[in-house]
Amino acid sequence: DAGVIQSPRHEVTEMGQEVTLRCKPISGHNSLFWYRQTMMRGLELLIYFNNNVPIDDSGMPEDRFSAKMPNASFSTLKIQPSEPRDSAVYFCASSWTGKDGYTFGSGTRLTVV
Amino acid sequence: DQQVKQNSPSLSVQEGRISILNCDYTNSMFDYFLWYKKYPAEGPTFLISISSIKDKNEDGRFTVFLNKSAKHLSLHIVPSQPGDSAVYFCAADIGGGADGLTFGKGTHLIIQP
Repeated sequence: DAGVIQSPRHEVTEMGQEVTLRCKPISGHNSLFWYRQTMMRGLELLIYFNNNVPIDDSGMPEDRFSAKMPNASFSTLKIQPSEPRDSAVYFCASSWTGKDGYTFGSGTRLTVV
Repeated sequence: DQQVKQNSPSLSVQEGRISILNCDYTNSMFDYFLWYKKYPAEGPTFLISISSIKDKNEDGRFTVFLNKSAKHLSLHIVPSQPGDSAVYFCAADIGGGADGLTFGKGTHLIIQP
């Protein structure tokens, strides 16, 4: 398996633009998590899905953020409109039981100028 | 409010010596703890875990100790090797990790030759 695949690896966009981050989880995993990493706050859980259903989105910072999982092999995290403070590394992770760790993707480094 | 705290942003250890990374938590409901390792430009990778019913778990050079009364866990790496230089994240969860892990901010371990 190729692991959790995230795209793009890097994204630079202007303030106000829409940004879409993509994630392909490991085949067979039934849980998917979106995390954001910043220097100030470390790794924060934004939202997670079980069997493609959003379970907890309490970590999503604002209504500008939305996430979807239309099927078991694909998820998106959208920011509209983007702001400079959204600049961070966004990680997607997937798991089967949740135990013994999630498998993380390599992340998307987002820079909003 | 940070429920998982890693109070040392960085730690420098000589090659061959023991590295000890510390983590404190505040939520007494946490029953599962994990350590992740992260290299630059990569996602975190699972290293070792421990259930709250144990006080020690060992895997090769890595040992995690849990002190529930003190709400403290530590990761010991013996002997430290240059490839161990990375950021180490402590994570905790309730009920097996299916609903999202809570991470600390990480400790940057530097192994000096």
